[in-house]
Amino acid sequence: AQKVTQAQTEISVVEKEDVTLDCVYETRDTTYYLFWYKQPPSGELVFLIRRNSFDEQNEISGRYSWNFQKSTSSFNFTITASQVVDSAVYFCALSRPQTGANNLFFGTGTRLTVIP
Amino acid sequence: NAGVTQTPKFQVLKTGQSRTLQCAQDMNHEYMSWYRQDPGMGLRLIHYSVGAGITDQGEVPNGYNVSRSTTEDFPLRLLSAAPSQTSVYFCASRRPTSGVSTGELFFGEGSRLTVL
Repeated sequence: AQKVTQAQTEISVVEKEDVTLDCVYETRDTTYYLFWYKQPPSGELVFLIRRNSFDEQNEISGRYSWNFQKSTSSFNFTITASQVVDSAVYFCALSRPQTGANNLFFGTGTRLTVIP
Repeated sequence: NAGVTQTPKFQVLKTGQSRTLQCAQDMNHEYMSWYRQDPGMGLRLIHYSVGAGITDQGEVPNGYNVSRSTTEDFPLRLLSAAPSQTSVYFCASRRPTSGVSTGELFFGEGSRLTVL
């Protein structure tokens, strides 16, 4: 069965500090996709990244970077030089391969607070 | 381009009342789904649809009905509201998949439902 664990419920950092959000997943599928979404205080869900199970290259996008390691079933998200605008709830999600559906299953989220 | 539109944004019901949450998308996406978000539990899949006339249950379908008569619309019906259904509901859609390839979900802004 699919499962996504985000063990960090809440994290607080001071502005300009680096912070890593952990995501550990469980799946028996050999092909799957992993996602990160951001939910700012306004409530909408914003897509950040998608990664497939065959691509273990780390990705960097500005201050954001992602570390995918199949050996440890982890897909961690690092924010460098955090800013107040990074304050949000961050969700990691895993797809379940299923004809036409490929539903996403989400972790419980990590609330990040960046203190100015 | 409106994307995914949900109505109403806020709703208060009494126990036992029925209500339909509306969801419409203008991106010609075949896949649509409903999630509920509760504190500490992340987003959980209620129902989903891979095309007009096709619906299926997700993780937490009890107490909810759906139908998909058109590609654009995917309403969620609460037949007899209960306090346990107090939650924020998100509708999402996605481009068609190719095998296990899964793109990102596009979410509506959410509908906050309170059942007294």
